[in-house]
This record gives sequence, structure tokens and C-alpha cells, in this order.
Amino acid sequence: DTGVSQDPRHKITKRGQNVTFRCDPISEHNRLYWYRQTLGQGPEFLTYFQNEAQLEKSRLLSDRFSAERPKGSFSTLEIQRTEQGDSAMYLCASSFRDRAYNEQFFGPGTRLTVL
Amino acid sequence: TQLLEQSPQFLSIQEGENLTVYCNSSSVFSSLQWYRQEPGEGPVLLVTVVTGGEVKKLKRLTFQFGDARKDSSLHITAAQPGDTGLYLCAGERTSGSRLTFGEGTQLTVNP
Repeated sequence: DTGVSQDPRHKITKRGQNVTFRCDPISEHNRLYWYRQTLGQGPEFLTYFQNEAQLEKSRLLSDRFSAERPKGSFSTLEIQRTEQGDSAMYLCASSFRDRAYNEQFFGPGTRLTVL
Repeated sequence: TQLLEQSPQFLSIQEGENLTVYCNSSSVFSSLQWYRQEPGEGPVLLVTVVTGGEVKKLKRLTFQFGDARKDSSLHITAAQPGDTGLYLCAGERTSGSRLTFGEGTQLTVNP
């Protein structure tokens, strides 16, 4: 039974570069979520998908951020023109919508450092 | 605006002691989840509570959901060093929607 996987686990980039992260959810899960977590804080919601449809985006998700889930399976999160303030842990979670309640299972995260 | 207030933020105790972590809100949640997170890793789901007044036990951990579904608590009996970690509560306003997290409680259990 494989859980949620994320790639890469760590990314160091220079300010102004573009970065892309990938998330592979648990195979039967139809909902996929992205969160961002900075040191000493709980995760903050960014966006989520049901199958391939992006249902909600947070105001935290500026126009430099874009997320896709083209075939309703894996998802990518791209950050363009990175800034130092983008340094954080980016977490992906998945869940199965048709359960009575929505348990979200998280991946190990991608730690982004913008120099 | 932090919808979920967790307390305490930091807790350092000796092995064998008991502790309680609180998660409070003025909002009603359809469910509330507790997670434990290790440094550099993603949160791991411990439990989900759904019904007001519900109590769930997981070995030495006891979770309670408030009657009005606005608050929750986590009680650990006879804490062990392996319990050390960041404990996060997260509420869901409607089923299937985003989770709103508290700031977390960093627990350190000293041998």
C-alpha cells in the first residue's frame, strides 16, 4: 500500500528561477490538495482538485503559482520567478471524496529554499 | 485570521507525565483531525472525530470532540520520548473541503 509521494524532497533555487513539484496521490483517491508550511506554523491551504477539476484556490496562490492535475492522477505545482518568501515546505495530500468524512493523507513534502 | 487556536504552543515534560493539548475555535467544524509531524516530514494522521462529544482512544492517546463541534482536546497518558513531535489539529468546515490547521503544539518528552 503506497502512500502519497512527492518529488523532489528538497529543492534549492536562485531567486527568479522557476520550479516545479510533483505529487502522486494514493491511487484510488480522487481529491488532491496542496498546502504550504513555514517554520513554526501549521500548513496553509493553497488549492485542491477533484479529479482533474481545480475546485478552489486560496488567495495565497498568487499569479506566479499554478497547479495542474491533467488526467486526474498526479499533480504539479509550478512557481514562476521565485522569491525568497516562497521558501517553505510544500505539502500534498489526497483523500477519497465519497467517504462520510474527508480524511486527508499527506506526502513527505518538498522543502524549497530560494537563495 | 487563525480559526483554530492551539495551546500550549510548546510543552516540555518528563517521561511518564500526562499532558493535554487543546484546540479551540469559534467556528463549527464538520470533522476535526489530529496529526503528528516529525521534522522534515509530512503530517501523519492520528485520528478523525466527527460527532459532537465523541471520544476516541488510540493506545495512550485520547481524543475528544466538543459537544458543539468547535473544540477538541488530545490527552496523552504516561508520555514517552517517542511521543516527541509537532501535534497539529485541523478542522474541516464542509466535507471534502480544505483543512484549516492550528499552529501546532511542539511536544518534547525527556527521558
